[in-house]
Amino acid sequence: DIVMTQSPDSLAVSLGERATINCKSSQSVLYSSSNKNYLAWYQQKPGQPPKLLIYWASTRESGVPDRFSGSGSGTDFTLTISSLQAEDVAVYYCQQYYSSPGSFGQGTKLEIK
Amino acid sequence: EVQLVQSGAGVKKPGESLKISCKGSGYSFTNYWIAWVRQMPGKGLEWMGIIFPGDSDTRYSPSFQGQVTISADKSISTAYLQWSSLKASDTAMYYCARPSTTGTIDAFDIWGQGTMVTVSS
Repeated sequence: DIVMTQSPDSLAVSLGERATINCKSSQSVLYSSSNKNYLAWYQQKPGQPPKLLIYWASTRESGVPDRFSGSGSGTDFTLTISSLQAEDVAVYYCQQYYSSPGSFGQGTKLEIK
Repeated sequence: EVQLVQSGAGVKKPGESLKISCKGSGYSFTNYWIAWVRQMPGKGLEWMGIIFPGDSDTRYSPSFQGQVTISADKSISTAYLQWSSLKASDTAMYYCARPSTTGTIDAFDIWGQGTMVTVSS
């Protein structure tokens, strides 16, 4: 099974500042024939199901603000929030869907400093 | 509107059986995989297993193989997660989720609202 490891576990950022969350997979999730990284990012607010933010490592889901961006390839990935807003307080998860089981990272809790 | 609607919360005793459901609507249920994801209180997301209702092809995480059964009834567009003998450690929120692309296991763009299962004597 592929193990996903996020860092940090928690993060406090001032409003308007940049937030960066990292995700590392135990093996590559880049599918060579399609040149796509099978990596997604989700946002989960208290009492709500997760919400898809980013898929194929860098494609924003429809309706997601452009302050959210994803980057990386192979085994190392980053979710960046360019200018933190109050409504971005949440737990963020990466997930690989390269192979079953489609494992999640342990989550990163993002708070306002 | 595409949505997944899950059955209500349940409180059970250890050793009891339980079957929770996830009804899909607004799309062709038989053409999309449906996954189950566990979230224990205060913890992260765990991928349990996934089923393709069109032919009932099912895959389990090794962590959950033999502990739960995933099934689907395509005639009523409903997927199920069941336990034959619950344990206190099964206490969690359970989500069903649908990948974004027909016939493919990719990112989950549709999620159910969650079903809270509490197992307590």
